[in-house]
Amino acid sequence: QVQLVESGGGVVQPGGSLRLSCAASGFTVYTHGMHWVRQAPGKGLEWVAVLWADGNRQHNTDSVKGRFTISRDNAKNTLYLQMNNLRPEDTAVYYCTRDITYYADDYWGQGIMVNVSS
Amino acid sequence: QSALTQPPSASGSPGQSVTISCTGTSSDVGGYAYVSWYQQHPDKAPKLIIYDVNKRPSGVPDRFSGSKSGNTASLTVSGLQAEDEAHYYCMSFAGTNNLGVLGTGTKVTVL
Repeated sequence: QVQLVESGGGVVQPGGSLRLSCAASGFTVYTHGMHWVRQAPGKGLEWVAVLWADGNRQHNTDSVKGRFTISRDNAKNTLYLQMNNLRPEDTAVYYCTRDITYYADDYWGQGIMVNVSS
Repeated sequence: QSALTQPPSASGSPGQSVTISCTGTSSDVGGYAYVSWYQQHPDKAPKLIIYDVNKRPSGVPDRFSGSKSGNTASLTVSGLQAEDEAHYYCMSFAGTNNLGVLGTGTKVTVL
């Protein structure tokens, strides 16, 4: 069955970096668009980034442009989110998701917490 | 890109219907047939309940239905049940820059 498992979260100081991983099973990441969506504590959902199946098209929301990079390793069937120059406002639970059309995410990971704090 | 606008709350008694709106612009909701809806219970990951405006994934009850008119999409939950009490979010493709945009979220309370 389809499963997405995030890892790599934790506490980091402002200006620091983290790399989130999302290990997929039950399907291959290169046959679907894959997203990262985040949710700050007590707040709503925010779309962060997408990597489409062709592997060449990736897009980020404006607030993370130039700081976050989405990528994948087909051999490891894993999606990544490299987060640099982290800010306190990046504090959130980060979800990895699988897309079935355009922005229709049928499977979600359990989420991983990222806390940017000094 | 700005978040899609949803009412903060909605409510209904068991068996009644509730409709949630999701208002965007011609650059997102109004311009494409790619609106999805998600249900989120406390401390749980969201669950897809509607995609491509009005399609239901396998396993989602037909009490959930979606529609769109102009720049506003809507989710209707018919025959409200206690387990429908949750937060609901819409999401749309914003094609100009190939971005995604989520709604502000609506808390549905079953009275």
